[in-house]
Amino acid sequence: QVHLQESGPGLVKPSGTLSLTCTVSDGSLSKYVWTWIRQPPGMGLEWIGHVSTDGKSRNSPSLESRLSMSMDTSKKQFSLKLNSVTAADTAVYYCARTFDYYDAPHNFFLYYFDLWGQGTLVTVSS
Amino acid sequence: SVLTQPPSASGTPGQRVTISCSGSTSNIGSHTVHWYQQPPGAAPKLLIYSNDQRPSGVPDRFSASKPGTSASLAISGLQSEDEADYYCATWDNSLGGPVFGGGTKVTVL
Repeated sequence: QVHLQESGPGLVKPSGTLSLTCTVSDGSLSKYVWTWIRQPPGMGLEWIGHVSTDGKSRNSPSLESRLSMSMDTSKKQFSLKLNSVTAADTAVYYCARTFDYYDAPHNFFLYYFDLWGQGTLVTVSS
Repeated sequence: SVLTQPPSASGTPGQRVTISCSGSTSNIGSHTVHWYQQPPGAAPKLLIYSNDQRPSGVPDRFSASKPGTSASLAISGLQSEDEADYYCATWDNSLGGPVFGGGTKVTVL
């Protein structure tokens, strides 16, 4: 059974860098892209971006300038770095396996998160 | 949120509850809709994908549809374990990424 687990510091100082890693146990990394999603306390879900097994990433425009993502297929891990953080970046961060499929001839596109990690709370505070 | 959901919905055990998700031509009108269930204190879980498809293990009490630029999720035969937040999601052409609804909290009375 495929399992996703987030890890990283739970406390980051303002203006610092938030760094998280997601480890994928079992299963293949290919055929999917690998996504980060966050949820501020008491609020809804926000897509951060995804990285594919070839290392290419696609980021939320609102976070693009502060964001980098990477993939290490040998370790079955993918990572997130968000710099210049503020209190507004305080959230539960989830990693998720994403089914990303585009059928060009039929203009049919599927993009959904079929497996989620348990999430990790990151607080930005001095 | 780009997608609009009612903040809450409720029903008694056995009742049917429906949750709406309203969007536009740049999102729901152009792409398939997916639904996620988030029990209290837990991570979200995929409930419905591609407008009306249930993943393995999801009870057939959950159903969904997507007429035009809106979508809806129905829970029939409501059970206490269905108490959770429910989020709709789809791709948005203007954002160039996926968007979520604000979430609907379902309470079983």
